[in-house]
Amino acid sequence: DIMMTQSPLSVAVTPGESASISCRSSKSLLHSNGITYLSWYLQRPEKSPQLLIYQISNLASGVSGRFSGSGSGTDFTLKISRVETEDVGIYYCVQFLEVPLTFGSGTKLEIK
Amino acid sequence: QVQLKESGPGLVQPSQTLSLTCTVSGFSLTSNSVHWVRQPPGKGLEWMGGIWGDGSTDYNSALKSRLSISRDTSKSQVFLKMNSLQTDDTAIYFCTNFNWELGFDYWGQGVMVTVSS
Repeated sequence: DIMMTQSPLSVAVTPGESASISCRSSKSLLHSNGITYLSWYLQRPEKSPQLLIYQISNLASGVSGRFSGSGSGTDFTLKISRVETEDVGIYYCVQFLEVPLTFGSGTKLEIK
Repeated sequence: QVQLKESGPGLVQPSQTLSLTCTVSGFSLTSNSVHWVRQPPGKGLEWMGGIWGDGSTDYNSALKSRLSISRDTSKSQVFLKMNSLQTDDTAIYFCTNFNWELGFDYWGQGVMVTVSS
């Protein structure tokens, strides 16, 4: 199974500042077709997860441009610029390269 | 628009079988894939398994011996059955639409299942 390791476990951010979350996979997520199957999700309190970023860096429809993704192979980063109170929740990375599909353990973002 | 909605019992007794239904709208089950993801209270997300557009299934190996996912395309419903439930199966169970470009793009609201006598 591909293990997904996220860090930090939690991050507290002052509104208006930036936050970065790291995700590392135990195997390269680059498929032979050239696509890297790595997405990011936000789960706000008491809500279902929401797609933020797909294929490392593509912004999902309707998602704020303050979110951006980067990385390659096994190392990925989600950056949230100008953090707002609505960004509070738990962020997950997930790999879709192979079954079983696996999630990172999550990073909790709080507001200072 | 695309919608998914889970339904099922909120309480299941230990050792019994859990049966959940995911009713979808806005897309066809023969062209899309629907998966189940669960979340124990205060914990992270766990992929359980899914059924692909061609009707084939994949399961998390940790659950495979207890889990079955099926569908009724005429009713736009996907079913989850898991037997021998224990207290650590207490969780919110989500169904979600999967596509290869985006991943899990649409989610149901989730259904809370408590395993307790």
